[in-house]
Amino acid sequence: GENVEQHPSTLSVQEGDSAVIKCTYSDSASNYFPWYKQELGKRPQLIIDIRSNVGEKKDQRIAVTLNKTAKHFSLHITETQPEDSAVYFCAASIFRQNFVFGPGTRLSVLP
Amino acid sequence: DTEVTQTPKHLVMGMTNKKSLKCEQHMGHRAMYWYKQKAKKPPELMFVYSYEKLSINESVPSRFSPECPNSSLLNLHLHALQPEDSALYLCASSQRLEAPPEGEQYFGPGTRLTVT
Repeated sequence: GENVEQHPSTLSVQEGDSAVIKCTYSDSASNYFPWYKQELGKRPQLIIDIRSNVGEKKDQRIAVTLNKTAKHFSLHITETQPEDSAVYFCAASIFRQNFVFGPGTRLSVLP
Repeated sequence: DTEVTQTPKHLVMGMTNKKSLKCEQHMGHRAMYWYKQKAKKPPELMFVYSYEKLSINESVPSRFSPECPNSSLLNLHLHALQPEDSALYLCASSQRLEAPPEGEQYFGPGTRLTVT
């Protein structure tokens, strides 16, 4: 089955700097890659997603890139703010049938 | 209404109890999911329902029994649980499972379950 790895497990950045989180997946049939943000005690919330027919997608300060050949995708957050502090999970799925999440990255944005 | 609701928010049960978790959405979504999340870990998929039919069971022990009585409701029946089953149980929904994937997966706030 699908296996998703995520790095780093923890990341601290200064406010205003950029943050990059990387994920790799094992199943070349995976075709949908969402990123979720989970604040302490709250539900995961989708922040951006990308499909396998697209190489890059951007939404304001957040962008995701996908390299299908290498089977990895990355989350980029620019101009980080303290409210960006949370745990971020990447995931991979085939037609949304079996979402497999990465282990998570705890991002801390220091004021 | 882009909300998935779950009840109860918290549940404490003994190993011999029978309880149920409930999930509801009114977004017209036809795919609904149960996840289990342990502290500091990612959500783990348990079950997927598509058009009220069980589509995926990720080898979950039979002490967890899902039910989808209609397109808006999803239940998880619990019986003879173990302390290691204590976790946050998340429900989610999405428009549909068929390709191409469209729309996001919405998560409920979860039920925090403690088995004593």
